[in-house]
Amino acid sequence: GAVVSQHPSRVICKSGTSVKIECRSLDFQATTMFWYRQFPKQSLMLMATSNEGSKATYEQGVEKDKFLINHASLTLSTLTVTSAHPEDSSFYICSAHGTGFEKLFFGSGTQLSVL
Amino acid sequence: SQQGEEDPQALSIQEGENATMNCSYKTSINNLQWYRQNSGRGLVHLILIRSNEREKHSGRLRVTLDTSKKSSSLLITASRAADTASYFCATDAGRGNQFYFGTGTSLTVIP
Repeated sequence: GAVVSQHPSRVICKSGTSVKIECRSLDFQATTMFWYRQFPKQSLMLMATSNEGSKATYEQGVEKDKFLINHASLTLSTLTVTSAHPEDSSFYICSAHGTGFEKLFFGSGTQLSVL
Repeated sequence: SQQGEEDPQALSIQEGENATMNCSYKTSINNLQWYRQNSGRGLVHLILIRSNEREKHSGRLRVTLDTSKKSSSLLITASRAADTASYFCATDAGRGNQFYFGTGTSLTVIP
């Protein structure tokens, strides 16, 4: 089956630093990638939708300058949390959607802890 | 918010019993999907039901969809301890390429 690889799985960083999370589709072309944020014991909140080669579409309330998304190729999307603060600490999950697939394929998630 | 709601929020059952969880959503859809998440991991797709379908089976899973009530249910029969996880419904809000998740049901199956 289709595989999505997400790295790193865990990041601990100091307040003010930027953190980049990578999401790769390993064996299919991801025409659309989604980035979600999840707080403990809560659901996934869609942050943004990115299509290859175009700007990401951000959900209401998500700061595009804070969460930079790049989808430069059909197999790679990155989320950069800029100038991270403790309130950005969360579990971030990417998912990919490819042509011909109706379901989403998820990365294993990244636990971000900002000190 | 596009997010749907699920109930119950938490469910604890004995191994062998059936588990039923419900999902309600707000907008028209093309399809509704159910996913499973083990703690601290990504989600795994379980089953998809299209808007013109009313019921679907896959192994021990049975999904129903009532578009008039904007609701769906997931039934897991003969539950096992390994079924312990959080279960989420997801809809495409009719757009086909954006997916919104329900609030989730945390299922605990006691051996």
